[in-house]
Amino acid sequence: EDQVTQSPEALRLQEGESSSLNCSYTVSGLRGLFWYRQDPGKGPEFLFTLYSAGEEKEKERLKATLTKKESFLHITAPKPEDSATYLCAVHPGFQGAQKLVFGQGTRLTINP
Amino acid sequence: GAVVSQHPSWVICKSGTSVKIECRSLDFQATTMFWYRQFPKQSLMLMATSNEGSKATYEQGVEKDKFLINHASLTLSTLTVTSAHPEDSSFYICSAGHPGVPNSPLHFGNGTRLTVT
Repeated sequence: EDQVTQSPEALRLQEGESSSLNCSYTVSGLRGLFWYRQDPGKGPEFLFTLYSAGEEKEKERLKATLTKKESFLHITAPKPEDSATYLCAVHPGFQGAQKLVFGQGTRLTINP
Repeated sequence: GAVVSQHPSWVICKSGTSVKIECRSLDFQATTMFWYRQFPKQSLMLMATSNEGSKATYEQGVEKDKFLINHASLTLSTLTVTSAHPEDSSFYICSAGHPGVPNSPLHFGNGTRLTVT
């Protein structure tokens, strides 16, 4: 069974305190791993797609990395506006178009 | 800007009534759209895959007679919650990806908060 597990469930940081969020996955062939940001009461907003182990993507204070078993979302010198729930999702190799399996998310709070 | 639009953003209805939620792709044609459901502090659970011009494909455990999906055009999918009950109260989110682009990311609507009283 395809599974995605994110840790920690919740994380509180001070502004400027860097950290990493983890996404562990077991899938029957990986066609892509996606990171999304979700604000309360909103739909997920796309951040990154990673396709193969060793790949890295960056956007402002965020950097996503991928290994064969997990992905990390590194947050460098975060600001309060980075507070959100970060969702990881995988596109299993044998699923049809874009049927994603989501993790439960990490609720990130950045205190000023 | 938003590439997937969802309407309404919130709705309150009485038990036993039906509610329709619309999902539109704004700048591309989507032959496939996806409907998710999200409970508070939980992740997104795929309910069904909406296929333009054909029947929707439902995930295991999702009642197709309760959650009616229609995908009559390449830019519009609708989800109708029939005979709604309080346990149907949830956050419903639709998504779509650019067709013909392998592994293109799904873009999500802003969700519909359904409250059944």
